[in-house]
Amino acid sequence: DIQMTQSPSSLSASVGDRVTITCQASQDIYKYLNWYQQKPGKAPKLLIYDASNLEVGAPSRFSGSGSGTDFTFTISSLQPEDIATYYCQQYQNVFTFGPGTKVDIK
Amino acid sequence: EVHLVESGGGLAQPGGSLRLSCAASGFIVSKNYINWVRQAPGKGLEWVSVIYSGGSIYYADSVKGRFTISRDNSKNTVYLQMNSLREEDSALYYCASGPSDGPPRYWGQGTLVIVSS
Repeated sequence: DIQMTQSPSSLSASVGDRVTITCQASQDIYKYLNWYQQKPGKAPKLLIYDASNLEVGAPSRFSGSGSGTDFTFTISSLQPEDIATYYCQQYQNVFTFGPGTKVDIK
Repeated sequence: EVHLVESGGGLAQPGGSLRLSCAASGFIVSKNYINWVRQAPGKGLEWVSVIYSGGSIYYADSVKGRFTISRDNSKNTVYLQMNSLREEDSALYYCASGPSDGPPRYWGQGTLVIVSS
């Protein structure tokens, strides 16, 4: 089974700050890494797929990079509506989620 | 427009059973994969099971031997039969779908399962 780790588990940043979250897979998952945003009481929403592709309708301040085992998710300028928990997910071999990163406004 | 609607959640006793349904509209379930993903209160997302378009089926170790995923193409619906329920199965259960070569981009709103005596 492929295990996913994420860091940090939580962060607090100011509006306009650049925010970076990292995700690591326990084995090579090539490009098969997605990033989701989940707000309280809502289903997860796909933001980035295949490591670096912006989902249609997702704001351009969200971006992703990486391949193999190490991946990065970035919010270029944090907005109040970005308060949420963010999850990475691999789908190279069935599916596995990372433990999530809770993002707050400082 | 794609929609997934889960149903069948509720209260069950430990050792009991429930059957969840995921009804799809706007796409054909047999040409895509359907996942079940659960989220216990205040916890993260946990993948549970998947049925692929070709019929391959996989389960998380935590539910293997107790849960069964199936598909009714005539109803465009996927099911999750949950037997031998445990308190730790209590969660909001989502179904999520994507094409065979793409990410799970379509999600339902979830159905709540509570296992308690």
